[in-house]
Amino acid sequence: AQSVAQPEDQVNVAEGNPLTVKCTYSVSGNPYLFWYVQYPNRGLQFLLKYITGDNLVKGSYGFEAEFNKSQTSFHLKKPSALVSDSALYFCAVRPPGANNLFFGTGTRLTVIP
Amino acid sequence: KAGVTQTPRYLIKTRGQQVTLSCSPISGHRSVSWYQQTPGQGLQFLFEYFSETQRNKGNFPGRFSGRQFSNSRSEMNVSTLELGDSALYLCASSLLGSGGISTDTQYFGPGTRLTVL
Repeated sequence: AQSVAQPEDQVNVAEGNPLTVKCTYSVSGNPYLFWYVQYPNRGLQFLLKYITGDNLVKGSYGFEAEFNKSQTSFHLKKPSALVSDSALYFCAVRPPGANNLFFGTGTRLTVIP
Repeated sequence: KAGVTQTPRYLIKTRGQQVTLSCSPISGHRSVSWYQQTPGQGLQFLFEYFSETQRNKGNFPGRFSGRQFSNSRSEMNVSTLELGDSALYLCASSLLGSGGISTDTQYFGPGTRLTVL
């Protein structure tokens, strides 16, 4: 069975500091991995994805994520956090051969001015 | 290109009623998926449609149904509403290849907030 874990419900970081939002996954075969962000009363906004290739994926708004197969992790990172990055972040996996996404429980990121 | 649109944005219904939600995918996208988001259960997959056919279904009761039209627009219906059906319902569209499976991204609409009283 496939699953995604986001071990931290809440992450606080000071503006200008680097941020990391953690995600680990469990899926049979090679996974497709995604990060989405959700602002209040909005849908999910796509940030980046890993399909294959380079383990470091760059996405929108300066975010990047590192795929680590041995640790089954796909952590989201940004070198310098902005207050406007404060939102709810979801990691998702799409198992091979499927079109639907399995989501983690979400991590609320707060960037403190 | 216009994004995924969902109507209505907000709905208030009472227990026992039924509701229909609508989703218009990004132009050219042929796959539409529906998700339910609640504080307790998080984001859960409802079903996916491609070429007017339901290809995949999540673990929801038969009260939840959907369909897709020839222009790829999709509707979902919930009959005999229960309090627990209160949620944000999200629609997502993606571009699929000829094999029906794609590495393409799912793009989400703003959602329909359903409140059941």
